[in-house]
Amino acid sequence: EAGVAQSPRYKIIEKRQSVAFWCNPISGHATLYWYQQILGQGPKLLIQFQNNGVVDDSQLPKDRFSAERLKGVDSTLKIQPAKLEDSAVYLCASSPGAKGTQYFGPGTRLTVL
Amino acid sequence: GNSVTQMEGPVTLSEEAFLTINCTYTATGYPSLFWYVQYPGEGLQLLLKATKADDKGSNKGFEATYRKESTSFHLEKGSVQVSDSAVYFCALSEGGGADGLTFGKGTHLIIQP
Repeated sequence: EAGVAQSPRYKIIEKRQSVAFWCNPISGHATLYWYQQILGQGPKLLIQFQNNGVVDDSQLPKDRFSAERLKGVDSTLKIQPAKLEDSAVYLCASSPGAKGTQYFGPGTRLTVL
Repeated sequence: GNSVTQMEGPVTLSEEAFLTINCTYTATGYPSLFWYVQYPGEGLQLLLKATKADDKGSNKGFEATYRKESTSFHLEKGSVQVSDSAVYFCALSEGGGADGLTFGKGTHLIIQP
């Protein structure tokens, strides 16, 4: 069974530029999560989708971050404009549904210069 | 809000030593508790979980017991191997519809032969 796919794996941008990350969850998984992991810290939830609806985006900095999951499968996370403090690994996870095990992708490492 | 505190690393042990990684949590309700592991160069993967008080999760020789009275979920293994070298994250989920994970900062475990 294929795991959670993410791209790109690495991205380097200048501050104030925009960037987008893509996630393809495990086939059939209804729930999708985006986490931000800053170096030396544990992952922090940014947003949770159930199918194509948002369940929890309370920790998403909505002035610069946006995410969508239009057809209930793939998802994109966008940052516009990026700040230095956005340098982190962005992790996507999926689960079959509520209370299911979350399976994580390899992450996208973002460096903002 | 919810939070997870785990012992700081790195933790360095010799092969076949006994391992304990402490984890305590703060939550408003009755969370599910998890240990995730990240091996070098790999993504986060679930190691074990417990969903209610007094439950014991176990996998690959690792164990952790959900202690509601002490709000703890300490990870233990009787005899560690070099291959157990990794970063270990304690996490909780409140469950229900919004079941995103709240992680601790992680503990880097180094096992020397």
